[in-house]
Amino acid sequence: EVQLVESGGGLVQPGGSLRLSCAASGFTFSSYAMSWVRQAPGKGLEWVSTISTSGGSTYYADSVKGRFTISRDNSKNTLYLQMNSLRAEDTAVYYCAKNRDTAMVSPLDYWGQGTLVTVSS
Amino acid sequence: DIQMTQSPSTLSASVGDRVTITCRASQSISSWLAWSQQKPGKAPKLLIYKASSLESGVPSRFSGSGSGTEFTLTISSLQPDDFATYYCQQYNSYSRTFGQGTKVEIK
Repeated sequence: EVQLVESGGGLVQPGGSLRLSCAASGFTFSSYAMSWVRQAPGKGLEWVSTISTSGGSTYYADSVKGRFTISRDNSKNTLYLQMNSLRAEDTAVYYCAKNRDTAMVSPLDYWGQGTLVTVSS
Repeated sequence: DIQMTQSPSTLSASVGDRVTITCRASQSISSWLAWSQQKPGKAPKLLIYKASSLESGVPSRFSGSGSGTEFTLTISSLQPDDFATYYCQQYNSYSRTFGQGTKVEIK
């Protein structure tokens, strides 16, 4: 059974940093690109970032480019999101999600339960 | 960036109704479109991929169609478990984008 478990969310002040983790199990983690998607309270889904299987290619939404860094450790089956210079508008539930297929161009099929990040003073 | 526009934003319907949701892309995305269902407090669930392929385990009352810039999700006979918010998602490019969502409410 595929499982994605996020952790690391919490309350942080504007300008602060946070590192999210996503522990994966039930599939061959190193074979799938992975993504972070966020959802602000009461709002829709917003893609944040995607990383290739090896970690050699990364992609970011314009809203987080230069502030967030996605990475992965295939030996630990774990996905990360380093978030710096956080703003109030980054407040959201952050989900990690896996590609359905091993190709980079693929829909997201499995999602974690999400971790809440609140940016407030 | 490719923009995705869903309509309607909210839909009121009764059990047994046929429901159709539309998603339009700002440029052609071929058939690289997926539909997901989200219930309050839960993660999204993939229903349809490649515009019309039904994900394993998803009831056959869900169907998708379209290509290029216009797509539809149809629920042939709405069931109580189907009241939720539905999102389209384009994955034509690495910077995937979602529609704003369509909330299906009980009439």
